[in-house]
Amino acid sequence: EVQLVESGGGLVQPGGSLKISCAASGFTLSGSAVHWVRQASGKGLEWVGHIRSKTNNYATAYVASVKGRFTISRDDSKNTAYLQMNSLKTEDTAVYYCTRLTTVNTLEAFDIWGQGTMVTVSS
Amino acid sequence: QAVVTQEPSLTVSPGGTVTLTCGSSTGAVTSGHYPYWVQQKPGQAPRTLIYDTSNKHSWTPARFSGSLLGGKAALTLSGAQPEDEAEYYCLLFYSGAYVVFGGGTKLTVL
Repeated sequence: EVQLVESGGGLVQPGGSLKISCAASGFTLSGSAVHWVRQASGKGLEWVGHIRSKTNNYATAYVASVKGRFTISRDDSKNTAYLQMNSLKTEDTAVYYCTRLTTVNTLEAFDIWGQGTMVTVSS
Repeated sequence: QAVVTQEPSLTVSPGGTVTLTCGSSTGAVTSGHYPYWVQQKPGQAPRTLIYDTSNKHSWTPARFSGSLLGGKAALTLSGAQPEDEAEYYCLLFYSGAYVVFGGGTKLTVL
C-alpha cells in the first residue's frame, strides 16, 4: 500500500525541541518534494515548509512563523523526511501532516497525505 | 505574506450545485498560482481533489471541477451528495515555492 506515516509527536515544554518523521512505504520518496502542513485544534490548515529532491538540490522553504526554528531534512536511503522543531512555542501545538509533491501526467501535484502526528507544546 | 480568502461557509441542497471561490490579497489568481482544492472531513487527514487549477486525481469524483472565475480559483460541485459535506481548503503557490492555504469553507449538504 502506498502511504506516508508520520511519527514522533508528543508533549514537549515551551522552548524545547522535537523531531518528527514522515516515512514513505510502497513507493520511493526520493524523486518527490515533501511538504509539511499543520493544523491546530479546530483551526484551518497551515503550510509549514518543504524540502525538494536531490535533483533540486534539497532546497527548502518555510513559513515566516517557523523560519529559523524549524528545519526540514530528508534521508532518501531511509525513504523518510524529517521536521526538526526547536524553540517550540505553545502556538506550535498542532497535528502535523506530511504530503508529497509528485509528477502526475507531467504536472506536479500533491497526492498522498499522512494521517498526522500530534505535537503538544505545554508546561 | 499573502492572504488567501474563501467563503467561511456554504450550504447546498442534495443534488444541487455550488461554487466555492478562492481569492488572493496580491491580486487575481492565475494558473501560475497552481490552485489546489483539498477536502477534509472531521477526524480525517486532508485529501487533494483538484490540482493545478482543474486537474483531478483518480479518486476525485466527477461531480467536482476546478476553474478560474473572475480573478479567483473556483471549485464547483454539481449534484451534491451527503458525503460531500466537509471542509474545503484552497491553496496557492507564491513565487513557485511558498504555499498559502485559505481559511477553508465549511460545506453543508442540507
